[in-house]
Amino acid sequence: SQQGEEDPQALSIQEGENATMNCSYKTSINNLQWYRQNSGRGLVHLILIRSNEREKHSGRLRVTLDTSKKSSSLLITASRAADTASYFCATDANQGAQKLVFGQGTRLTINP
Amino acid sequence: DTEVTQTPKHLVMGMTNKKSLKCEQHMGHRAMYWYKQKAKKPPELMFVYSYEKLSINESVPSRFSPECPNSSLLNLHLHALQPEDSALYLCASSLLRKGTQYFGPGTRLTVL
Repeated sequence: SQQGEEDPQALSIQEGENATMNCSYKTSINNLQWYRQNSGRGLVHLILIRSNEREKHSGRLRVTLDTSKKSSSLLITASRAADTASYFCATDANQGAQKLVFGQGTRLTINP
Repeated sequence: DTEVTQTPKHLVMGMTNKKSLKCEQHMGHRAMYWYKQKAKKPPELMFVYSYEKLSINESVPSRFSPECPNSSLLNLHLHALQPEDSALYLCASSLLRKGTQYFGPGTRLTVL
């Protein structure tokens, strides 16, 4: 079963708008990661936030982590058509950093 | 070299065939992974190798047989597959004790 659950399942916005995706998980974690996947391709690592961090930025990406609520959010600002992809959160299970459990993903569509 | 390569990109096989998927990385990573991904679903972990030894097998059917000949190569041998095994097979690698995984582009497998 998937530890991470994401919402919304699908999101469609206009280019230039901000996109926010949420992820919830069930057990304690060492870190939480976000990955992007273009259709039918491999996953690309976007950002990793550790359990003792609350917020992290990378370019147009902003990730927050609330361990008390077991949730995280990914904000993409000033969206571009190239941001169209599926976004997955992934948490490491208790067996250590080797095993990632992925959320169901959010399919993001940026309309020109 | 920060790339994980996978061959072939596409594979069509019958249920009686034997085929192999290949994955290669030259980043010095000592952990390598096989994932299976069905359409519109997150990747599901199949196997993890650490220092060329199988460390995690997620109860994968024996018709899938992994092999790690050396620290740069990972193979997945396929035999007597079923049509429901059709999926995108992703390889990934990571530094041990580090959470970030680097994914290859995947092999799109179709079992007839």
